[in-house]
Amino acid sequence: GAGVSQTPSNKVTEKGKYVELRCDPISGHTALYWYRQSLGQGPEFLIYFQGTGAADDSGLPNDRFFAVRPEGSVSTLKIQRTERGDSAVYLCASSLDRNEKLFFGSGTQLSVL
Amino acid sequence: GEDVEQSLFLSVREGDSSVINCTYTDSSSTYLYWYKQEPGAGLQLLTYIFSNMDMKQDQRLTVLLNKKDKHLSLRIADTQTGDSAIYFCAETIYNQGGKLIFGQGTELSVKP
Repeated sequence: GAGVSQTPSNKVTEKGKYVELRCDPISGHTALYWYRQSLGQGPEFLIYFQGTGAADDSGLPNDRFFAVRPEGSVSTLKIQRTERGDSAVYLCASSLDRNEKLFFGSGTQLSVL
Repeated sequence: GEDVEQSLFLSVREGDSSVINCTYTDSSSTYLYWYKQEPGAGLQLLTYIFSNMDMKQDQRLTVLLNKKDKHLSLRIADTQTGDSAIYFCAETIYNQGGKLIFGQGTELSVKP
């Protein structure tokens, strides 16, 4: 595709529920990143994949958050037992390789009621 | 540690130049970026500069980098109302796989 695609664009859920957010990177990009942006803040790093493996997951806030990229392309960010504080825009980005320019998707706005 | 700081707001008149400033702390930064975010939209890469450069110009945009002071600026010439947005400065560290550290963003308001 032409750019990084994220689905859904909006997700409303109830406290305690499980959610999955999907990211389709630019074709051929080996590196994929997840960020979280709270209202009025800059994006904060969550996790980075190089190929299929999570090369750096130091930004995941706790063990309720998990991400996979089984075939080195599409990635899914999974959040268990959602809390109201998880409400934010979740951004995905991809780059041709590590240390190359990042291109961002439009994000998924997650609202936990 | 890594930290990127920006002023929160800037207001200019249409046609004037805008200068958005950013300071960073990590001297091992490789690339420094400017992203633009319009309401409800994702991050648009505007321009970037490699850490061994002092200046980069791209049409109306000029990026200046002072490595000694760890200061980065973005100058927008002939600012238009369509330039109103939030601008984020970000740095990437070579040995951290291209992970970006963002500032909190500067909201640019352009008045006609």
